[in-house]
Amino acid sequence: NAGVMQNPRHLVRRRGQEARLRCSPMKGHSHVYWYRQLPEEGLKFMVYLQKENIIDESGMPKERFSAEFPKEGPSILRIQQVVRGDSAAYFCASSPQELSTEAFFGQGTRLTVV
Amino acid sequence: TQLLEQSPQFLSIQEGENLTVYCNSSSVFSSLQWYRQEPGEGPVLLVTVVTGGEVKKLKRLTFQFGDARKDSSLHITAAQPGDTGLYLCAGKMRDSNYQLIWGAGTKLIIKP
Repeated sequence: NAGVMQNPRHLVRRRGQEARLRCSPMKGHSHVYWYRQLPEEGLKFMVYLQKENIIDESGMPKERFSAEFPKEGPSILRIQQVVRGDSAAYFCASSPQELSTEAFFGQGTRLTVV
Repeated sequence: TQLLEQSPQFLSIQEGENLTVYCNSSSVFSSLQWYRQEPGEGPVLLVTVVTGGEVKKLKRLTFQFGDARKDSSLHITAAQPGDTGLYLCAGKMRDSNYQLIWGAGTKLIIKP
């Protein structure tokens, strides 16, 4: 039973390029959460999605960032025109229902903008 | 503003010693979770506490939720090098079913 799969594990982008981060939730999980973690800091909520629906994107910057969770395929976090400040670890978590039970985290994507 | 303050930020001790780390807030949470995160990995849930005053044990780890549900502690007995990691607490606000507020973590190193 595979866990939450994120890819790529490491991503290097030049300023101005686009970054696409993928998250495949655990089998049977229809709720996906994206978090961002800076060094020496906790996780910051970005967005909560269910299949084909964005439930809460209050933690996501309104410009350059977008997320989707299509009916088929992984959830995608997209960052357009990346800047150095976007460098961080991005984690995805999934759960079978709203976060009243355990959410399982992926290993994260470490984005470095050069 | 950090809603959840974890202390200490960093702790390095010898194998076999006992330790306690803290997670404090002025806010009330409906539940609180403790996670352990190793370098290059995602957080892994250790425990969820729900009731004020609740104590849960996980082998050598003892978790306590404050009576007022504003704070929590994690006590490790006879620490081992395998306990090394970043310990994060995360609280669920009462008015949300899914939003977790995260502390910045305590980085724990157990020296053999």
